Amino acid sequence: GQQVQQSPASLVLQEGENAELQCNFSSTATQLQWFYQRPGGSLVSLLYNPSGTKHTGRLTSTTVTKERRSSLHISSSQITDSGTYFCAMAGNEKITFGAGTKLTIKP
Amino acid sequence: AQTIHQWPVAEIKAVGSPLSLGCTIKGKSSPNLYWYWQATGGTLQQLFYSITVGQVESVVQLNLSASRPKDDQFILSTEKLLLSHSGFYLCAWSLGWVYEQYFGPGTRLTVL
Repeated sequence: GQQVQQSPASLVLQEGENAELQCNFSSTATQLQWFYQRPGGSLVSLLYNPSGTKHTGRLTSTTVTKERRSSLHISSSQITDSGTYFCAMAGNEKITFGAGTKLTIKP
Repeated sequence: AQTIHQWPVAEIKAVGSPLSLGCTIKGKSSPNLYWYWQATGGTLQQLFYSITVGQVESVVQLNLSASRPKDDQFILSTEKLLLSHSGFYLCAWSLGWVYEQYFGPGTRLTVL
């Protein structure tokens, strides 16, 4: 079935370092989106990127559709970037989320 | 601007009791609507989606049902809650299946 794998499962960085999050999916994705979630909070859409490279602020996502992978790069990380990052893909019949990457930024 | 509202914010219910959670979208006509469930510390699992009023597709069976009585309203319900229903329920909307999704604030459910 449709699967989404995220890596790493957790990441601890010092403030100011860059973060690289990966997402691999098992079937052709018609939609690929990155989300952010604070503990106990809802999901915030970061980037919608089914193919190519997209930027917003300190975030850059690159999706290579034929290789079934997407990445999220966070530059100059800040303490407020701490939380869980999810990628989600839409296949033909359902939308599948990865297990998430828990990012902790230390001062 | 589009707004998405979920109610209630939180619920504590007994096993075997009924449940109804609601979601309303304002500022967008005929959106796709989705229900997701998230166990504590877990990922999101798509439960239902609806493309139009009166039509709901089930993605996974969790002894829950959903209805879309109005264009801007999506309801999640069950007649008998299980302990396994505890978690965070999120409603989302999009312009279509391959479009960006936007999530509501969520409802936290505790079943005792």
